[in-house]
Amino acid sequence: GAGVSQSPSNKVTEKGKDVELRCDPISGHTALYWYRQSLGQGLEFLIYFQGNSAPDKSGLPSDRFSAERTGGSVSTLTIQRTQQEDSAVYLCASSRLALDNEQFFGPGTRLTVL
Amino acid sequence: GEDVEQSLFLSVREGDSSVINCTYTDSSSTYLYWYKQEPGAGLQLLTYIFSNMDMKQDQRLTVLLNKKDKHLSLRIADTQTGDSAIYFCAERVGGFKTIFGAGTRLFVKA
Repeated sequence: GAGVSQSPSNKVTEKGKDVELRCDPISGHTALYWYRQSLGQGLEFLIYFQGNSAPDKSGLPSDRFSAERTGGSVSTLTIQRTQQEDSAVYLCASSRLALDNEQFFGPGTRLTVL
Repeated sequence: GEDVEQSLFLSVREGDSSVINCTYTDSSSTYLYWYKQEPGAGLQLLTYIFSNMDMKQDQRLTVLLNKKDKHLSLRIADTQTGDSAIYFCAERVGGFKTIFGAGTRLFVKA
């Protein structure tokens, strides 16, 4: 069966540009998570969706970061006016229910800001 | 605050046991997890333990939890070259938030 997919797999952009990263969760999974993985650091929790709503946005690093989820499925993470420190791998995960113990991760989007 | 720490590297010989250690800070953790990330792949859940347990065994994997010291370990018996990967320790805090460590890169020498 299809797992979590993310696109693009790699994105190189210039400082100051906006980028959109996409996540397609496993069909039927109601919970969706975004994480950021920087070199040598753990996964940094960014945001969590239950259905279309995001009860907790406190992990977003700045107001340049936003995320939405439509139809309880696909999610988009948008970074405006990218900075070099935004360079990282952005991981998306989904779970059937928010309290499920297993999160299924996508392969990630590697973002490089020049 | 919420923090999970683990050593960055571990090297073992094939056939030996590997022990990967992790410490966490949030005493309200409900579940603790070990995830595995192979090159070019997403993270995969290996095993997890409820915070009121102190040990869980699953085939070659043994998880030990010392709640008093906030210390979690993963033991892999008879380590194989296919076990080479990055292993992430994580804790669930609150209802849905999961805090991950930086990952321990396990090298298995043939």
